[in-house]
Amino acid sequence: DIVMTQSPDSLAVSLGERATINCKSSQTVLYTSTNKHYLAWYQQKPGQPPKLLIYWASTRESGVPDRFSGSGSGTDFTLTISSLQAEDVAVYYCQQYSLNPITFGPGTRVDIK
Amino acid sequence: QVQLEQSGSELKMPGASVRVSCKASGYIFNSYGMAWVRQAPGQGLEWMGWINTNSGKPTYAQGFTGRIVLSLDTSVSTTYLEISSLRADDTAVYYCARDRRAAGPAYDYWGQGTPVIVSS
Repeated sequence: DIVMTQSPDSLAVSLGERATINCKSSQTVLYTSTNKHYLAWYQQKPGQPPKLLIYWASTRESGVPDRFSGSGSGTDFTLTISSLQAEDVAVYYCQQYSLNPITFGPGTRVDIK
Repeated sequence: QVQLEQSGSELKMPGASVRVSCKASGYIFNSYGMAWVRQAPGQGLEWMGWINTNSGKPTYAQGFTGRIVLSLDTSVSTTYLEISSLRADDTAVYYCARDRRAAGPAYDYWGQGTPVIVSS
């Protein structure tokens, strides 16, 4: 199984400042037939299901604000919130979907400082 | 608009079985697969498996093989998750999610979640 790790476990950022979350996979999530990294990011607020933010490591889902961006390749990926807003307080998960079983990172909690 | 409507919360005794349903609307049901993910209280997301809505073929995570069954009824655009021999540590919120992996966007729509509590 591909093991996903995230860092930090939690972070607190001032409103308007940048938040950066890292995700590492135990093996590559590059799907060779499409040359895409099958890595997604989700946002989950209390009492709600996860919401897809980013797929293919860096493609923003329709309707997601452009302050959210994804980057990375191979086994190391990053989710960046360029200017944190109050509504961004949530837990963020990375997910690899290149191979079954699909696996998620343990989550990173983002709060306001 | 795309919607995944799940059945309501369940309270079950240890050893019992439970079936959770997920009714899809707003898109062609057999165009995309359906995955099931659970979340224990205060914990992260755990993938349970997915079902190909074209062929009906399920794929299970190794830890659930033999204890869960994924099925579907295309006539009502609904997928089902059945869990048998329930244990206290099956207490969780169970989510269905539309599986668009082949097109890129992974799990782009999720159901609202079905809480299952296993307690004597």
